[in-house]
Amino acid sequence: DGGITQSPKYLFRKEGQNVTLSCEQNLNHDAMYWYRQDPGQGLRLIYYSQIVNDFQKGDIAEGYSVSREKKESFPLTVTSAQKNPTAFYLCASSIYFRSGQLAQPQHFGDGTRLSIL
Amino acid sequence: ELKVEQNPLFLSMQEGKNYTIYCNYSTTSDRLYWYRQDPGKSLESLFVLLSNGAVKQEGRLMASLDTKARLSTLHITAAVHDLSATYFCAVKTSYDKVIFGPGTSLSVIP
Repeated sequence: DGGITQSPKYLFRKEGQNVTLSCEQNLNHDAMYWYRQDPGQGLRLIYYSQIVNDFQKGDIAEGYSVSREKKESFPLTVTSAQKNPTAFYLCASSIYFRSGQLAQPQHFGDGTRLSIL
Repeated sequence: ELKVEQNPLFLSMQEGKNYTIYCNYSTTSDRLYWYRQDPGKSLESLFVLLSNGAVKQEGRLMASLDTKARLSTLHITAAVHDLSATYFCAVKTSYDKVIFGPGTSLSVIP
């Protein structure tokens, strides 16, 4: 079955440490997204990528970095510059919107919960 | 910058009653989504609305879109406990960003 796999499910970060969250999809989707969700809050866009080797900042990109070297993979690094990283991180993918008029939603992974030690 | 608002943010309703959740957005968009999230879980797609006047229905949920008013509604008919969840609307911008509303936490009481 096609889908999005996020790992790990739970992650703990020490002070001053960078950590990387994995997101892999086998849906052949062009676009991939990272969102942050704080308890009781909505989703805020961190970064998104429409094609390989290209990505754009979302609304809260500071303290985060991404790469898109392969179509299937869009890892997110939470750097030590992100002072309040505790949150639920969701990865999503979709077809590239301009490729047609298909009414396709974003597909989401199961998320990674990041906490500070 | 696109802003997406939802109203109400919290909703407690009795089983069997009807209610509507509203989603307003601030700039032109050609695509609006509704998602459901259960506690501690990821998001599940409910509806994708593309054009003005679009209406979609699935079970006890019906979504509509008025692009001129920049308004979408999610109507719940004869609510049941299984509909208790948080509902998000999301809007695609012209730059292919997808921005989410704050969510409406729905609790259906027997």
